[in-house]
Amino acid sequence: QSALTQPASVSGSPGQSITISCTGTSSDVGGYNYVSWYQQHPGKAPKLMIYDVTNRPSGVSDRFSGSKSGNTASLTISGLQAEDEADYYCSSYTSRSIGVFGGGTKLTVL
Amino acid sequence: EVQLVESGGDLVQPGGSLRLSCAASGFTFSSYSMHWVRQAPGKGLEYVSAINPNGDITYYANSVKGRFTISRDNSKNTLSLQMGSLRPEDMAVYYCARDTASPGWDIDVWGKGTTVTVSS
Repeated sequence: QSALTQPASVSGSPGQSITISCTGTSSDVGGYNYVSWYQQHPGKAPKLMIYDVTNRPSGVSDRFSGSKSGNTASLTISGLQAEDEADYYCSSYTSRSIGVFGGGTKLTVL
Repeated sequence: EVQLVESGGDLVQPGGSLRLSCAASGFTFSSYSMHWVRQAPGKGLEYVSAINPNGDITYYANSVKGRFTISRDNSKNTLSLQMGSLRPEDMAVYYCARDTASPGWDIDVWGKGTTVTVSS
């Protein structure tokens, strides 16, 4: 199963908004509304930020939002804060009844 | 508090075996599918193996199929991963993780991870 495609890095200044894309195929991202996003700080376990494309778990800031168009899902972080600097991974359910991760995106807050 | 605690990571020679364990607490373990996810040094996340709540359906990544075996003991709230014929490319932090109730593969609880080093 090929990994979903994410940009290697994105950056933004505090207060700005950034968007991270996650591109797959009709067999994964485009075929199911089961895309999730994870935040991972160095040396820490990942944390679920978005599930089922748009849903935020309890306790996750509403500055984080998810969307999907066709075979591409997106994570948008508004009002960027220094603590948002981390690696972000998308994941999607697939036609093989399994999940697949994206390659990860390093977010730098300038 | 919902918690997952992994153990068993170690230094092992290529071709060797290792058994990872995960102790779950704070939730009804038998109601959730569980995953092992790994992360090689400096690399991204990879689904390794998964098991449904009663243990009769399992999944393995192609990279570990035939070498790793996932199992669970719902009476002891424990998830295990038996790893055999280990290769240098299996070296990673292995996370035990809980699936959400969503039909998709979403993970809402992660352990802190246990490190597997494969080297001679």
